[in-house]
Amino acid sequence: AQSVTQLDSQVPVFEEAPVELRCNYSSSVSVYLFWYVQYPNQGLQLLLKYLSGSTLVKGINGFEAEFNKSQTSFHLRKPSVHISDTAEYFCAVSETGGSYIPTFGRGTSLIVHP
Amino acid sequence: IAGITQAPTSQILAAGRRMTLRCTQDMRHNAMYWYRQDLGLGLRLIHYSNTAGTTGKGEVPDGYSVSRANTDDFPLTLASAVPSQTSVYFCASSRDRVDEQFFGPGTRLTVL
Repeated sequence: AQSVTQLDSQVPVFEEAPVELRCNYSSSVSVYLFWYVQYPNQGLQLLLKYLSGSTLVKGINGFEAEFNKSQTSFHLRKPSVHISDTAEYFCAVSETGGSYIPTFGRGTSLIVHP
Repeated sequence: IAGITQAPTSQILAAGRRMTLRCTQDMRHNAMYWYRQDLGLGLRLIHYSNTAGTTGKGEVPDGYSVSRANTDDFPLTLASAVPSQTSVYFCASSRDRVDEQFFGPGTRLTVL
């Protein structure tokens, strides 16, 4: 069965600084990978996804993530954050060829300071 | 076009009472899901449905039941609520089980 670990529960950063939110997964088969964002008092919305092909995936709001199969990682990056990026970020993994139901990480709270 | 709607937005419920959380989507998605979100635990899957007429158990199904009589609706029922079911509940849907999920705005439930 798959599992996903988000290594940081909270990441504080100053506005316009770069940020990386870390995600590692465990699976014995090929996987699909997702990053979702949750703004306060809202549901989750998709930032980006990796299904196959290029390992560098670009998403909305200037975010990108890189799939690294050897390190079983899918870290999320943004070169310059804004106050409006303050939110909870969730990494999710689903195994291909099985139920495809995703397992979510526990979330990383990104706090952008002015 | 609303996407996914959930009702109620919030509810305070006495322990032992029965409660149904409603979820409706207008995207004609095949798959639907119920999650609960608790601080520090992320999202945990309660029940899911890959298509109308079928349902399955997730990670934390005890105390909850679902039905999927048609494509659009996926209600979640707590037969006899307990305080440990205090949580924020999210309904989600996807075109099919391999696609990304679209989430509703959530229902904040407090069981006293």
